[in-house]
Amino acid sequence: AQSVTQPDIHITVSEGASLELRCNYSYGATPYLFWYVQSPGQGLQLLLKYFSGDTLVQGIKGFEAEFKRSQSSFNLRKPSVHWSDAAEYFCAVGAGSGYALNFGKGTSLLVTP
Amino acid sequence: DTEVTQTPKHLVMGMTNKKSLKCEQHMGHRAMYWYKQKAKKPPELMFVYSYEKLSINESVPSRFSPECPNSSLLNLHLHALQPEDSALYLCASSLSSRGSVADTQYFGPGTRLTVL
Repeated sequence: AQSVTQPDIHITVSEGASLELRCNYSYGATPYLFWYVQSPGQGLQLLLKYFSGDTLVQGIKGFEAEFKRSQSSFNLRKPSVHWSDAAEYFCAVGAGSGYALNFGKGTSLLVTP
Repeated sequence: DTEVTQTPKHLVMGMTNKKSLKCEQHMGHRAMYWYKQKAKKPPELMFVYSYEKLSINESVPSRFSPECPNSSLLNLHLHALQPEDSALYLCASSLSSRGSVADTQYFGPGTRLTVL
């Protein structure tokens, strides 16, 4: 069965510092991978997605993610974090049927001045 | 435009009330979803509608009753809820539900439900 693991529950970074959020997946075939961000009390906003092709994916708000099949990972990165990036980040994998998104438990990002 | 709208934003109801949540999208998407999200947890899938037909019911109690009147609208009818049903209810839509590149799900802002 497919699963997603986000090893870090909380991450704190200083404003302007670089960021990497980890995501590991377990899935037999090539997965559909997504990163969503959720600000407090809000819905989920899609940051980026990977289906196939170039393993380095560019998203909105200056985020990128790299798909590494050998490590079963899809880590999210940003070179310089802004205070407005403080939010909950969810990695998700889509099944081949396309129905259900399997979400990781999320990583809460705190940005300090 | 990738907007999914949900009304109301907040809802407080008693355990004997009947209420409905509404979700709307005008992106031509043919799959629509209801998720439930408890605080500090990821969203959990409740229902999937594909081409206005119920495709998936993830063993949701019957006090939650979904309805898809047309391809743009999705309702969730609530009756005799319990306090533990208090959560953020998220609606999402995707272009199709066939596992293609078009299956990116776009989420609405959610309805914050409190059951007293």
